[in-house]
Amino acid sequence: DQQVKQNSPSLSVQEGRISILNCDYTNSMFDYFLWYKKYPAEGPTFLISISSIKDKNEDGRFTVFLNKSAKHLSLHIVPSQPGDSAVYFCAARADAGNMLTFGGGTRLMVKP
Amino acid sequence: EPEVTQTPSHQVTQMGQEVILRCVPISNHLYFYWYRQILGQKVEFLVSFYNNEISEKSEIFDDQFSVERPDGSNFTLKIRSTKLEDSAMYFCASRGQNYGYTFGSGTRLTVV
Repeated sequence: DQQVKQNSPSLSVQEGRISILNCDYTNSMFDYFLWYKKYPAEGPTFLISISSIKDKNEDGRFTVFLNKSAKHLSLHIVPSQPGDSAVYFCAARADAGNMLTFGGGTRLMVKP
Repeated sequence: EPEVTQTPSHQVTQMGQEVILRCVPISNHLYFYWYRQILGQKVEFLVSFYNNEISEKSEIFDDQFSVERPDGSNFTLKIRSTKLEDSAMYFCASRGQNYGYTFGSGTRLTVV
């Protein structure tokens, strides 16, 4: 069941540049999307989210874009910092109180 | 910042034994979840719990699994008779009325 897919298992970016992490979904019932960051041996840490009624949400260096017609969302990190190196998961939810469906994650490496 | 606390951080158990994984959700949260991540795989939903009952569960959450909120603060996941394939990181999460899911740091379960 691949309802949420992150097609790039890894991404390497130079410090100060933009990191763009992509996520595609198939379930049109998803109405809320989240991005999580995960370090080894830790739980996922919430980064930013977006409701399906919006196409953009921004929080500091992090911006999430949602293209509903393409069933695609992306996370932009600018400028990227070495401390951003982690695995990033996108997740989606179909309605209030329900489970999150996670993508497979993208490992971001930000090089100094 | 409020945290979801999980204990133990690492549990080693023999196949066929029962294990109980413990979680203390954020105190004013109403929705509780268990997820797991087998090494190298996606974070997978197991079960959600609201108003003292299971609200949704996945196919993974079979009769070997049970959840309980025995005292209004702890939220436990019991695996009745562990199998080798139950080895994974188990994450507890909680959520309030808004959409903010907070995850714990996880319990690494190793079944030998």
